[in-house]
Parts: sequence; C-alpha cells; structure tokens
Amino acid sequence: AQTVTQSQPEMSVQEAETVTLSCTYDTSENNYYLFWYKQPPSRQMILVIRQEAYKQQNATENRFSVNFQKAAKSFSLKISDSQLGDTAMYFCAFMKPHRTGANSKLTFGKGITLSVRP
Amino acid sequence: GAVVSQHPSWVICKSGTSVKIECRSLDFQATTMFWYRQFPKQSLMLMATSNEGSKATYEQGVEKDKFLINHASLTLSTLTVTSAHPEDSSFYICSARTGATNQPQHFGDGTRLSIL
Repeated sequence: AQTVTQSQPEMSVQEAETVTLSCTYDTSENNYYLFWYKQPPSRQMILVIRQEAYKQQNATENRFSVNFQKAAKSFSLKISDSQLGDTAMYFCAFMKPHRTGANSKLTFGKGITLSVRP
Repeated sequence: GAVVSQHPSWVICKSGTSVKIECRSLDFQATTMFWYRQFPKQSLMLMATSNEGSKATYEQGVEKDKFLINHASLTLSTLTVTSAHPEDSSFYICSARTGATNQPQHFGDGTRLSIL
C-alpha cells in the first residue's frame, strides 16, 4: 500500500516571501501521479499542481512549483511571492493508475496548515 | 469546466433521521465518484468509490448499511446517512472523475452534517 507523509503540521510565512511544503511518499510503483491540493477556510478542495512520475521536468503553475525527486520519493511544493489568499490547508496526494481507471484512488497525506502573515 | 455540485451545503437534523447528500457533475460524465469524510483539521478519509451502474466499493471499516451510496447515472451520485446519530456529524465531500486515469478528481464544495 502507498503512504504519503507530511511531517510538518503547520507553517507560517510572511506575505511576499517564499515557502516550501514537504511531502514524502512510499510506493513500489514506477508509474504514478502526485498532486498538491489546497483547502482554504471555505473547505473547497482545489487542485494546485500535478506531476506525472514519468516526467523528469518539475511541474509549474504560476507561483507554484514542485521539486520532484523520484529516487528520494520526495515531492515538495514551493509557493513564491506568498499571498494572503494562500492561507489554507495543503494536502499532498498520490495516485496509482489502474488499468480500469475506475479503481484509481487518491491517497492523501495528513495535510499542513499554512498561514500567510500580512 | 469540470464543475462538481454538492447539495446541501449544510444540514442539521435530529438523531434517528436519514439524510441524503447529492453530488452532480455539471459539465462532464463522471464514470467514477468518490465519497470522503473529513474531521476538523484532519485529512480526507475515503469512505467509498462508486462506478456508474454498479455497487459501490466501501473502504474497510465503513458501514455499508449506514452509508448508502447510489451512482445511478453518469452525472449523479448520492450518499444517504441512515438513522443518523451525533457521531455521524462531520464534513462529507464528494469528488468525480471521468474514466481516464490521467484526469484529476474534481471536488464538490462539501456538506456539513450536524446531528442533534
């Protein structure tokens, strides 16, 4: 079974600064997907970024980028130029593709609460 | 695109009643839908996976008779909490995805369930 570990329960960052959220995972699979989801106080789950394991290039979405280290099984999220609206819980998630598609499930980490200070 | 609508957003009811939560994919066909439960400041716990037209697959420890899931069409899945009790109070979130495994899951806004 796959596991996803987010060891930091909380972090705080000053507005406009850069912050990195850590995530490690354990799997014996070679092909899989990794995700970062954001859950603001409204509690809606928002997809921030996605990484395919077979791609060596790190995914980037505007101010959000990842550092994907496949050998180390590490998948950290970097938020540049932090904004007050980035305050949220962030979840790292793993998914193994299944041949039928229907049985592919997300495995979530425990999440980290990020607070952006004005 | 890829909008998932979940209704109601908040429900309060008396102990012993049954509550139905709807999850709809508005602009895509959801071959697979997922139901999660979340306690405050905690991660999402997968309750069950449902595929259109077939029985839901429940995760270990989730009572099938307590949490009835129906996925009768490609755009609608329902979760019914039967004979609800205060310990069933929680935040329930659905998500939906097409059959392709390279497509992400899209989440509804969640339902806050309070049982008095």
